[in-house]
Amino acid sequence: GDSVTQTEGLVTLTEGLPVMLNCTYQSTYSPFLFWYVQHLNEAPKLLLKSFTDNKRPEHQGFHATLHKSSSSFHLQKSSAQLSDSALYYCACNNAGAKLTFGGGTRLTVRP
Amino acid sequence: EAAVTQSPRNKVAVTGGKVTLSCNQTNNHNNMYWYRQDTGHGLRLIHYSYGAGSTEKGDIPDGYKASRPSQENFSLILELATPSQTSVYFCASGEQGANTEVFFGKGTRLTVV
Repeated sequence: GDSVTQTEGLVTLTEGLPVMLNCTYQSTYSPFLFWYVQHLNEAPKLLLKSFTDNKRPEHQGFHATLHKSSSSFHLQKSSAQLSDSALYYCACNNAGAKLTFGGGTRLTVRP
Repeated sequence: EAAVTQSPRNKVAVTGGKVTLSCNQTNNHNNMYWYRQDTGHGLRLIHYSYGAGSTEKGDIPDGYKASRPSQENFSLILELATPSQTSVYFCASGEQGANTEVFFGKGTRLTVV
C-alpha cells in the first residue's frame, strides 16, 4: 500500500525565517498529494494539493512542488508567521477513496 | 463549507465496555472515513466507506467495527474497549475521486480506563 514519510516530527523556528517541511511518499501508481493543516483544537483542513509533476500550487503563502522523480512534495513558505504554528500533514491518494497520511510535523513559530 | 458532526466530543469508557462513536455529514458525500490521531503516528485510517451499506478496512482495523446505515451516518464501534484505544478519533467525508478534498469533524477524545 501507499506510505507517506514526514521526517521531522517537530520544527521550531523564528518568525520571519523560511519554512520547509519535508514529505516523501511511496506509491504503486501516480498519486495525488495533499498538505493538510491542523491548528490547535481544530479539525484538519486542506492547505493545498497537486497531481502534476513540477507544478507549484500555492495557498496562504505556502507552496509545494510535486517531484515525481524523487517522490517528494515538500511544503515551503518564504517567511514564517506566528499564526503558522500548527500540525501539518502530508497525504496521498491514488485509489480514489483511501487517503493515507504521514506522521505529521508540528511547526512552532517563535517571536 | 462541508459539515461533519461527531458525537460525543468527549467520552470516558471502561475497559471491556462497548463504545459507539457517531458521525453525521450533510453534504451528500459518498466517501466517509474514521481516523485515529496519536502523537508520532499521525492520522491512521481505521475504516472507510464508499456509500450506504459499505464498509472497508483501513490500515488499523483490529478491535474496531464500522457501520454505514445511510449516506449521512457512519459509526465506529469498539465492542470491547481497551486502554490502547485511548486516542482522538476523527471522522471525515469527501466526494469520490483521488483528487478531492476531505472534510473533517472536530474529533472525539476517547479515554478508556
